[in-house]
Amino acid sequence: NAGVTQTPKFRILKIGQSMTLQCTQDMNHNYMYWYRQDPGMGLKLIYYSVGAGITDKGEVPNGYNVSRSTTEDFPLRLELAAPSQTSVYFCASNEGWTGGWGNTEAFFGQGTRLTVV
Amino acid sequence: AQSVTQLDSQVPVFEEAPVELRCNYSSSVSVYLFWYVQYPNQGLQLLLKYLSGSTLVESINGFEAEFNKSQTSFHLRKPSVHISDTAEYFCAVSEMTSGSRLTFGEGTQLTVNP
Repeated sequence: NAGVTQTPKFRILKIGQSMTLQCTQDMNHNYMYWYRQDPGMGLKLIYYSVGAGITDKGEVPNGYNVSRSTTEDFPLRLELAAPSQTSVYFCASNEGWTGGWGNTEAFFGQGTRLTVV
Repeated sequence: AQSVTQLDSQVPVFEEAPVELRCNYSSSVSVYLFWYVQYPNQGLQLLLKYLSGSTLVESINGFEAEFNKSQTSFHLRKPSVHISDTAEYFCAVSEMTSGSRLTFGEGTQLTVNP
């Protein structure tokens, strides 16, 4: 059981370049999330999705875009990379409930460490 | 909106000593509470959770947390830590309302020294 898989694990981007962080889950979860983790700041929610075709902004969506064409995949797109986007990015999923996180365990990927220079 | 505050950013302890990682939350409605652990270069894993019922919850590796509604706290404790407990610990809260989000604290780095 693979759980949540993120690729790549590491990436260095130049300012202004674009890239897509991939996330796939095999647990048939409806809810998926993208977080960024910065030292001493905890995890901040970038975007989330409650099902295929439905996405919404989290706390820090500027500079990012997402899509959810299937239940399994939830890619995160950076269009014009900036140094402020240097961070560790985590994808997560859970069963959720109508309209929210509910009481179910969230499963996290291993993370993507992104550096923008 | 809910918020979470972890009162200590770093907690160094010696092996076999007791430890407490403090977590306070703020919310106007009832909440679910969680502790997640992150080992180096890994994602987060659920350690334990409070949903309802008994205010004392336990994990399989000896950690426990007590929900204190009057003090809005959910502190994590272990009576005797091991080197392998070295990790970052995150407290998180989710409100029992439609549209709730999981909100994380800033994290506490627990370092267990020999």
